Amino acid sequence: DADVTQTPRNRITKTGKRIMLECSQTKGHDRMYWYRQDPGLGLRLIYYSFDVKDINKGEISDGYSVSRQAQAKFSLSLESAIPNQTALYFCATSDFRQGLYTFGSGTRLTVV
Amino acid sequence: AQSVTQLDSHVSVSEGTPVLLRCNYSSSYSPSLFWYVQHPNKGLQLLLKYTSAATLVKGINGFEAEFKKSETSFHLTKPSAHMSDAAEYFCVVSALYSSASKIIFGSGTRLSIRP
Repeated sequence: DADVTQTPRNRITKTGKRIMLECSQTKGHDRMYWYRQDPGLGLRLIYYSFDVKDINKGEISDGYSVSRQAQAKFSLSLESAIPNQTALYFCATSDFRQGLYTFGSGTRLTVV
Repeated sequence: AQSVTQLDSHVSVSEGTPVLLRCNYSSSYSPSLFWYVQHPNKGLQLLLKYTSAATLVKGINGFEAEFKKSETSFHLTKPSAHMSDAAEYFCVVSALYSSASKIIFGSGTRLSIRP
């Protein structure tokens, strides 16, 4: 089983719909992150969480919300999806001491 | 503050020739630096990392990178390209012990390999 699992892998949704992307991990890491990837822009940080009670906005948090349900679970929600949120979304975890990040396989979201 | 700049958005080399992907960084703290690779329709895989030990870092698949503090660079190299190296490569900077302790991605370099 993958260390970081994202569901769904692909999703097409309509403008205005609410959608949730889920992430679970078996690494035992406290730190979890959501990134989006757009061509030519690399990965940009949406939200991050250093533990269950700690949620922080990243550089592009507008239009998104997150929930850290447990140490192992970190979900990303789009309350009202819009077409410019079409992107590849990655969840990641990190070990603070070694600074190593483990990424999920990504969720490809298309908003039509 | 941290930032990372990948100097080439696209690099094309012939199979069997050397690969050079360039990365410059800035960081207010002692940085950790990473290279990740993303093959088409795949997730991100760690190639190598620098965390203040040896300045020449060897990674997987024959890649290596050299940390040069005076030049604030962390270029990725490989002596001989293989067709399977075609992918997108991301240079990443992290300040491990800063209060934010999150990573910053470069915009990526797409590597194409000509037969």
